[in-house]
Amino acid sequence: QVQVQESGPGLVKPSETLSLTCTVSGGSIISSRYFWGWIRQPPGKGLEWIAYMYYSGSTYFNPSLKSRVTISVDTSKNQFSLRLRSVTAADTAMYFCASYDISGFFFDNWGQGTLVTVSS
Amino acid sequence: DLQLTQSPSFLSASVGDRVTITCRASHGINSYLAWYQQKPGKAPKVLIYATSTLQSGVPSRFSGSGSGTDFTLTISNLQPEDFATYYCQQLQTFGQGTKVEIK
Repeated sequence: QVQVQESGPGLVKPSETLSLTCTVSGGSIISSRYFWGWIRQPPGKGLEWIAYMYYSGSTYFNPSLKSRVTISVDTSKNQFSLRLRSVTAADTAMYFCASYDISGFFFDNWGQGTLVTVSS
Repeated sequence: DLQLTQSPSFLSASVGDRVTITCRASHGINSYLAWYQQKPGKAPKVLIYATSTLQSGVPSRFSGSGSGTDFTLTISNLQPEDFATYYCQQLQTFGQGTKVEIK
């Protein structure tokens, strides 16, 4: 059973870059079954897909965030990462990483989430 | 852009009730619609994918159906642990959520 776990700073200053890493365990990130994705949830609000990628490097982004987002994969560490530039208070949210099952197009394994607050 | 609209946004129900949540798409979509349950402070958990396929380990009181633009999640015999927020999802789009609370 694949497990994923987010890590990264919980506090980021406005205009700076949010950086998070997701570590995959219980399976290889080099998998034909999965995309690897990021979803966020502002406090008290719904879920917003940010981006996902295939281990080979193909990437897909939410158009509303695309200009500020970079995602990458490190197959040697079985990790993938998110960078969100020029953050504002509106980027304060719980950030989840998850595996996206390509056969059924759903997120099947989620991390517990990490709360990132944007504040000076 | 696809929009998924869930109804109701909030519902109050009792243990043992049968509950139905609807997810309406802004245009016809394929059958790759999933439903998630989220409890406070926790990550979402997939219940159903491909409209009606129950994820492994999910109780059979959860069921899904639908096609085209209208999809439903039904919880028969609502249990105390089912009080949560439910989301539908198709590809990269999520519905706004339906909160199920105890009457």
